[in-house]
Amino acid sequence: AQSVTQLGSHVSVSEGALVLLRCNYSSSVPPYLFWYVQYPNQGLQLLLKYTTGATLVKGINGFEAEFKKSETSFHLTKPSAHMSDAAEYFCAVVGGYNKLIFGAGTRLAVHP
Amino acid sequence: GAGVSQSPSNKVTEKGKDVELRCDPISGHTALYWYRQRLGQGLEFLIYFQGNSAPDKSGLPSDRFSAERTGESVSTLTIQRTQQEDSAVYLCASSPRDGNSPLHFGNGTRLTVT
Repeated sequence: AQSVTQLGSHVSVSEGALVLLRCNYSSSVPPYLFWYVQYPNQGLQLLLKYTTGATLVKGINGFEAEFKKSETSFHLTKPSAHMSDAAEYFCAVVGGYNKLIFGAGTRLAVHP
Repeated sequence: GAGVSQSPSNKVTEKGKDVELRCDPISGHTALYWYRQRLGQGLEFLIYFQGNSAPDKSGLPSDRFSAERTGESVSTLTIQRTQQEDSAVYLCASSPRDGNSPLHFGNGTRLTVT
């Protein structure tokens, strides 16, 4: 069965600092992996996805993630945080019937 | 074009009452999913529709929960005899087909059971 673990329910960074949100997955088949972002009082938006091919995936708003099979990881990074990046971020893996199985989420706070 | 639309956006109900939540997927999207997001927690899968059939109902927490879908269109999630632990945001998502197509989410219905 597929599962996702997000390390750190809350992450706080200074504006301009590196953002690193951790995601580890478990999957018995080659995984399809996603990162979604949820801004306050809004629905989830797709940030980026990994299916096959290049292991470094670039998404919207300057975010990227690298698929590392040896580490079963798909960490999300951004070189320089903006105040507008404050949101909740969810990592997900595709499970049976192609439904998404989500991690518990990481709330990112950005302070001046 | 229009995204996934959910109604109502907020619903307050008394314990023991039945509620119906509605989801209008993006036109042409055959796959439809319901999720539940409790306060401070991640998204829990509830049910998946392909067309109007539901091959995966494994996430429905009890027989008080049911869902149906009309063709490849509207879906309703019904919770009977609501309990306080049902309080959550209920999210609907749709996608063009199975596989690695990204899910498009609605803004959710916030259900509060008093």
